[in-house]
Amino acid sequence: DGGITQSPKYLFRKEGQNVTLSCEQNLNHDAMYWYRQDPGQGLRLIYYSQIVNDFQKGDIAEGYSVSREKKESFPLTVTSAQKNPTAFYLCASSPGQGGEQYFGPGTRLTVT
Amino acid sequence: GESVGLHLPTLSVQEGDNSIINCAYSNSASDYFIWYKQESGKGPQFIIDIRSNMDKRQGQRVTVLLNKTVKHLSLQIAATQPGDSAVYFCAERFGSARQLTFGSGTQLTVLP
Repeated sequence: DGGITQSPKYLFRKEGQNVTLSCEQNLNHDAMYWYRQDPGQGLRLIYYSQIVNDFQKGDIAEGYSVSREKKESFPLTVTSAQKNPTAFYLCASSPGQGGEQYFGPGTRLTVT
Repeated sequence: GESVGLHLPTLSVQEGDNSIINCAYSNSASDYFIWYKQESGKGPQFIIDIRSNMDKRQGQRVTVLLNKTVKHLSLQIAATQPGDSAVYFCAERFGSARQLTFGSGTQLTVLP
């Protein structure tokens, strides 16, 4: 089956620790995205990548980092510099820039 | 920056009735719009899209209407079913980066 996978589904970390969220797609999509969703709110763009080895900051990139070494993978690191990291994180991909985005199941990160 | 907004945060309808979910957008340069459905704890799922050169588009049990004069988008769901209960987001695309901007969502609850 083609699709986007995110792991793990739930993640718990202590404050001050960096944590990396996985996102893999086998749809052969060029573009990939990371969003953050807080309760009762819409999706806010953290980072996006239009092509391998290239990525751009979104609206709320501070405290996050990404890499795009392979077309199918776009991991997100939540660093200790992120002041409010507890949230639901969604990864998405699209065939090209600006079109329909396909979403993964999400990772719920809790930092205490 | 400009963002997509929704008129109502919650909507309750009787099973079998039609549902109408509204969305206001503020950027007249937006050229593409998408409706997503998000069930609790899951990633958003594509429902239907529409380009700015269209006024109406129909899918299976869903219709999207675009009124560019008043910058309004609506999603109509015919014969609403319990499985339609979810949060519905609209998203718009504009700007040179051509990223999607998401609204905060409407919670649709289908009553038995």
